[in-house]
Amino acid sequence: EAQVTQNPRYLITVTGKKLTVTCSQNMNHEYMSWYRQDPGLGLRQIYYSMNVEVTDKGDVPEGYKVSRKEKRNFPLILESPSPNQTSLYFCASSLSTTGSTEAFFGQGTRLTVV
Amino acid sequence: DAKTTQPTSMDCAEGRAANLPCNHSTISGNEYVYWYRQIHSQGPQYIIHGLKNNETNEMASLIITEDRKSSTLILPHATLRDTAVYYCIVRGNSGYALNFGKGTSLLVTP
Repeated sequence: EAQVTQNPRYLITVTGKKLTVTCSQNMNHEYMSWYRQDPGLGLRQIYYSMNVEVTDKGDVPEGYKVSRKEKRNFPLILESPSPNQTSLYFCASSLSTTGSTEAFFGQGTRLTVV
Repeated sequence: DAKTTQPTSMDCAEGRAANLPCNHSTISGNEYVYWYRQIHSQGPQYIIHGLKNNETNEMASLIITEDRKSSTLILPHATLRDTAVYYCIVRGNSGYALNFGKGTSLLVTP
């Protein structure tokens, strides 16, 4: 089954403790991205990757890192999480960025930083 | 990418057609109209997209006006499971991010 898999689904952590949220897709997609969703602010893009070893900042990249060492994986790294990073996170992938390509989303990771 | 305007919320009776409108008056010629939905806090789900012509798939139909300044998503026989937030997004070939906006919250009632 074609899917985007995120782990973990739920995470509670303390301020400053490094964490990684994993994202994996099995569709051989070139393009992957991370979004965060907050009440009243909607979904905002954090980082994206056009292909292996190619990453770039989205609209809200501060406090996050990503890597794309393999085509299927695109982990989101929070080196020193802070409470303002408490949010619902989604990973997405698509075949390309052309206008006619749909995106597939993971089921989300709900992160709480205390 | 062009901006879209959608009603904040709509109701629909179960079994009836749900017609969700979207205005995108500044759309340019190479931009597609996409519809996604998000059920509760699950990941957004792709529904349908189109450029100029009307489109239909197993989930919905998309009607785009001739001037392309507005469109309507039609769920032909809404069920309770269709209760969700529906997002209309305009996207061109150079768009990296999907601009979800606030969407329309559709409530399907028994």
